[in-house]
Amino acid sequence: QIQLQQSGPGLVKPSQTLSLTCDISGDSVSRNDTAWNWFRQSPSRGLEWLGWTYGGWQWYNDHVVSVKGRIIINPDTSKNQFSLQLTSVTPEDTAIYYCARARSGAFAYWGQGTLVTVSS
Amino acid sequence: EIVLTQSPATLSVSPGERATLSCRASQSVSKKLAWYQHKPGQAPRLVISDASTRATGIPPRFSGSGSGTEFTLTISSLQSEDLAVYYCQQSGDWPWAFGQGTKVEIK
Repeated sequence: QIQLQQSGPGLVKPSQTLSLTCDISGDSVSRNDTAWNWFRQSPSRGLEWLGWTYGGWQWYNDHVVSVKGRIIINPDTSKNQFSLQLTSVTPEDTAIYYCARARSGAFAYWGQGTLVTVSS
Repeated sequence: EIVLTQSPATLSVSPGERATLSCRASQSVSKKLAWYQHKPGQAPRLVISDASTRATGIPPRFSGSGSGTEFTLTISSLQSEDLAVYYCQQSGDWPWAFGQGTKVEIK
């Protein structure tokens, strides 16, 4: 049974780095046919697909202009997990963040979501 | 890049009635179209993949149809628990893309 378990702080101060981790069970972050993704959702911007790690390389969604240059998604094969780092956060980065697995074009498995609030 | 346009933006349907959601692609995506249900406070849930294949655990009142550029998600008899935003997503061409969502309200 595939499960994605998210962890990380729910409160981050402005200008600091948001760091979230997604632990994978029942599958492998190393698979070459599977993409491991991060999304976020907020009332003002709806659901935004931030990017993925896939077969050892990373892709970031240029359409999410607000995170360009500030986002890093990394796999950790030793722990079978992947992470999201978002630097220099502002209150505009307040959102529910989700990790998700994509295979054969569809996102069938999702983490439980983490509400991250950016506030001093 | 392929753009997905969903209509209507909001759909109000009485319990037990049929709900029909539309997703139009700016170019053909063959059958590589998925639908997701996103309820408040929950993670999005895959409902339909490959235009018409119901995901595991999805009740049969949900059905998907279409190919090329025109797709439909139908909820044959709306239940109160179906209140959600529904997104379509294409993987027929890179970059993949999502529609802007249709909010289904219970009338």
